[in-house]
Amino acid sequence: GAGVSQSPSNKVTEKGKDVELRCDPISGHTALYWYRQSLGQGLEFLIYFQGNSAPDKSGLPSDRFSAERTGGSVSTLTIQRTQQEDSAVYLCASSLGRSRTSYGYTFGSGTRLTVV
Amino acid sequence: RKEVEQDPGPFNVPEGATVAFNCTYSNSASQSFFWYRQDCRKEPKLLMSVYSSGNEDGRFTAQLNRASQYISLLIRDSKLSDSATYLCVVNRGTALIFGKGTTLSVSS
Repeated sequence: GAGVSQSPSNKVTEKGKDVELRCDPISGHTALYWYRQSLGQGLEFLIYFQGNSAPDKSGLPSDRFSAERTGGSVSTLTIQRTQQEDSAVYLCASSLGRSRTSYGYTFGSGTRLTVV
Repeated sequence: RKEVEQDPGPFNVPEGATVAFNCTYSNSASQSFFWYRQDCRKEPKLLMSVYSSGNEDGRFTAQLNRASQYISLLIRDSKLSDSATYLCVVNRGTALIFGKGTTLSVSS
């Protein structure tokens, strides 16, 4: 597509429920990243996918968080047993790939997750 | 020490003013540097890359000092539309690490 598409744009869920967030990157972008931004805070790196390589999961805050990327395109971020501290905006970004870090990322408009 | 540190501001300046933001980073192995802009409740957008030789894009000038691990952004002739949060960004391997941002408010 023309840009990075994320869905849903807003999600309210009850504490303890599982949620799935979706990201559709720019066509042809082999690198995909998930970040989250809590209110008044900076962006926190979560996970990185590059082509068929094993993902860099070093930023995932707990084992309740997981992500997958099917067919090298669409990615889903799953949060199990959500907690109130998981409330944040979850941002997905894509870029041309490992050797193209110098070009920066294009972000989607994010999913605003509220855990009540 | 945080990976990327910025003065959070806010910087309140009148239209037409020149304003400078600074940023320091801790990872001497970093090779890629950027400034992003984030408007309220919006996603970050790439403003400009930062090169060792310094680079300019219209009213915006970015500088990098690798020895001091210091990055700057200069905005000349500020416009109301420049009001936003400016994020300093540095790579750690293949990931980009974002500072918390400096808030700029330009008033008429």
